[in-house]
Amino acid sequence: AQSVTQLGSHVSVSEGALVLLRCNYSSSVPPYLFWYVQYPNQGLQLLLKYTSAATLVKGINGFEAEFKKSETSFHLTKPSAHMSDAAEYFCAVRLSGDSWGKLQFGAGTQVVVTP
Amino acid sequence: EAGVTQFPSHSVIEKGQTVTLRCDPISGHDNLYWYRRVMGKEIKFLLHFVKESKQDESGMPNNRFLAERTGGTYSTLKVQPAELEDSGVYFCASSQGTGWDTEAFFGQGTRLTVV
Repeated sequence: AQSVTQLGSHVSVSEGALVLLRCNYSSSVPPYLFWYVQYPNQGLQLLLKYTSAATLVKGINGFEAEFKKSETSFHLTKPSAHMSDAAEYFCAVRLSGDSWGKLQFGAGTQVVVTP
Repeated sequence: EAGVTQFPSHSVIEKGQTVTLRCDPISGHDNLYWYRRVMGKEIKFLLHFVKESKQDESGMPNNRFLAERTGGTYSTLKVQPAELEDSGVYFCASSQGTGWDTEAFFGQGTRLTVV
């Protein structure tokens, strides 16, 4: 069973518009949650992480994500898209049933920003 | 500070041949991870080293894959003999310290194509 699901493999947004990337996890125990971004020809870079300290997490480059236990979601948002946000975004989890070092990734969402 | 470095960036080999991928983690990082992304699929965990010991190798697909980390510094991942389904991008990551919220730093990946 998939532990983390990202809705939409491709998302197109206009420059200046809201970016919303969806991530849902399947676990009875809230996991540790991460969003990574991969810019072209680069490695994965951490955008933000949820570690139970606060449900609204702010990350780099103006991104934030909100943990909602009732919805088992950790959606990523940015109020105003910039051309430089074009990249692939990955939601990832660490589950209590796994070894602590293991990340499980969603399938990724490719974001295209149009002028 | 240098990031996680992977060699080669690309490799094209014939089915049945052997390929060795190398990863140099960030200096001082005891934890080293290998992940793989097959075309169109999610990034999958392969294994986790703590120094030179294998902490978790539950994601290794079969015995054609051999990972080593002699001396607890760089790591190699050997595929022998390679099969067509081994094609994909192999990512290495490293982290410092332990803990469920530990950030893993990723390399750019090695794109392996088996023909």
